[in-house]
Amino acid sequence: GENVEQHPSTLSVQEGDSAVIKCTYSDSASNYFPWYKQELGKRPQLIIDIRSNVGEKKDQRIAVTLNKTAKHFSLHITETQPEDSAVYFCAASPKASGSARQLTFGSGTQLTVLP
Amino acid sequence: KAGVTQTPRYLIKTRGQQVTLSCSPISGHRSVSWYQQTPGQGLQFLFEYFSETQRNKGNFPGRFSGRQFSNSRSEMNVSTLELGDSALYLCATSDRGNTEAFFGQGTRLTVV
Repeated sequence: GENVEQHPSTLSVQEGDSAVIKCTYSDSASNYFPWYKQELGKRPQLIIDIRSNVGEKKDQRIAVTLNKTAKHFSLHITETQPEDSAVYFCAASPKASGSARQLTFGSGTQLTVLP
Repeated sequence: KAGVTQTPRYLIKTRGQQVTLSCSPISGHRSVSWYQQTPGQGLQFLFEYFSETQRNKGNFPGRFSGRQFSNSRSEMNVSTLELGDSALYLCATSDRGNTEAFFGQGTRLTVV
């Protein structure tokens, strides 16, 4: 089955700096890669996702890049703000249709943005 | 529209008991997946239901089971509870053709 590794496990940055979180996956059949943000005591919320036919996707201060050959994808957050502090999870999923998919999650990164 | 609703929010059970958790999806969503979240193991896939049929199952013992009703609401059941079953149980729902998974707020299960 799929295996997703995520690094680093903790990341502290100064407000305004950039943060990068990296994930690798093992199953070449995976073609959907979402990133979730989970604040303490709250549900995971999707912040951005990318499909295997796209190399990069941006949404304001957040971007995700995908390298299918190397089987890794990364989350980039620019101009970090204190409210970006949370646990971030990457995930991978094989091709499926009409379903919520079977997501395999990375172990999470605790991001702390220092004021 | 209303989000994914999980009930109850908190549960305390004794070892050996069984428990049933409920997930009501966003209106129109027909797929429901369940995940277990623990500090040690992270987020792990339990199973997925679509149109009342289990389509995928994760690597969990048979004590973990689920079902989905005709209105797409889903329940999961854990029998013979063990201390290690203490976790946050999350469900995620999706509509047909839309791959984004919307999570519920979870049910915090504590086994004592």
